[in-house]
Formats: sequence, C-alpha cells, structure tokens
Amino acid sequence: EAGVAQSPRYKIIEKRQSVAFWCNPISGHATLYWYQQILGQGPKLLIQFQNNGVVDDSQLPKDRFSAERLKGVDSTLKIQPAKLEDSAVYLCASSLVSWGAGVEEQYFGPGTRLTVT
Amino acid sequence: GQQVMQIPQYQHVQEGEDFTTYCNSSTTLSNIQWYKQRPGGHPVFLIQLVKSGEVKKQKRLTFQFGEAKKNSSLHITATQTTDVGTYFCAGESGGSNYKLTFGKGTLLTVNP
Repeated sequence: EAGVAQSPRYKIIEKRQSVAFWCNPISGHATLYWYQQILGQGPKLLIQFQNNGVVDDSQLPKDRFSAERLKGVDSTLKIQPAKLEDSAVYLCASSLVSWGAGVEEQYFGPGTRLTVT
Repeated sequence: GQQVMQIPQYQHVQEGEDFTTYCNSSTTLSNIQWYKQRPGGHPVFLIQLVKSGEVKKQKRLTFQFGEAKKNSSLHITATQTTDVGTYFCAGESGGSNYKLTFGKGTLLTVNP
C-alpha cells in the first residue's frame, strides 16, 4: 500500500514570501492531520480534517496559515506571509479513524522541510 | 491545555544496555500512543495503550500505561544500534476530536 505523499520535500523562502505544501493521504483514510515539527521538539498539531471538514484548528495561526481539503482526499497547507519562526518540518499524517471509534494509529508522510531566511 | 512531558530528553547508552523513557500527562488520558522517529525520518507508529495498567511487549520493547492513565513508559532491553532514534509518546485525553498531543521525545543514541 502506498504511503502518505508530500511535496515538496524541501523549500527555502525569504520572510514575507508565501509557500504551499501538498499532501496526499493513504487511500481510504478519512482523517488527515497537518503537524509542525520544530527541531528538537515533538510534532504540534496545526489542523485536523475529517473527510473535508475541519475538526480542530485551535493551534493554527489563522492570520498567516490556511489549509483546505477539497473533496476529502488531498490537502494543501499555505503560509502567507512566512516568518522566520515558521522554519520547521511540516508533516502530514492520515488515519483510518471512523468517527466514534476513537484514536487510531497515524501514518506520517516524509515531511516538507521549510527554511525561512 | 493538555501537556505531555517526556524524560529524559537525551539518553546515550552502550549497545547491550537497557533504556527507559517516561511520559507524564497533565490530564488523564483515554489512550496513549508511542512513535519512533529515526534521524532524518518521520514518526512511525509503534503501539497504542488503552487500558489502565496495560503492559504490552514487542520483542525487546515493553510498554506500560499507568494505573491512573496519566503516565506511561517504554523500556528497551539490550539496546541495538538499530534502536537509535527519537521516541515520542502521544496522548489523547478524550473529547470529541480525538486529538493527539505529542511529548518532546527522548533521543536515544547507541554506542556500538
């Protein structure tokens, strides 16, 4: 079975520029997550989708970050404008969780390493 | 909000020594998951614990969930160089969104 796909793998931009990341989850996985992982820390959830609806975006800096999951399959995460502190790895994950069944294991993609200069 | 703390932050061992990492939550958890992230890689699911006092084993790895469901541990017996990586616990405290909160992880290095 194919894993979670992400692109690009690496991105370098200057502050105040915009950037977009793409994620294609494992086929059939209803739940999709975007995490930010700063060096030396654990993944921090930015946004969680169930199909194409947002379940949790409480930690998403909505003044500069946006995400969508049209048609409930692949997803894009955008940062506009970027700040130096946005330098991190952005991980996409998906899981099979059926609503009401509880948490299931998450499958992570390889991530996009963003450097903001 | 919920906080998940892990200790130690780093652990260096000689190959063959044992290793333990501890995870503590500020709130009672409905379940806890453990992930391993190799250097330069992405987190990979190891196991999920749900029941109070639960103990699960995977070969040389032993996972425990505390009686109060606020702490957990991962113990590796006789470490090998293939065990190198960062081990994260991630807790879910219930509620309606099944959100996982990750700890900062424990980086394990193994000297051959």
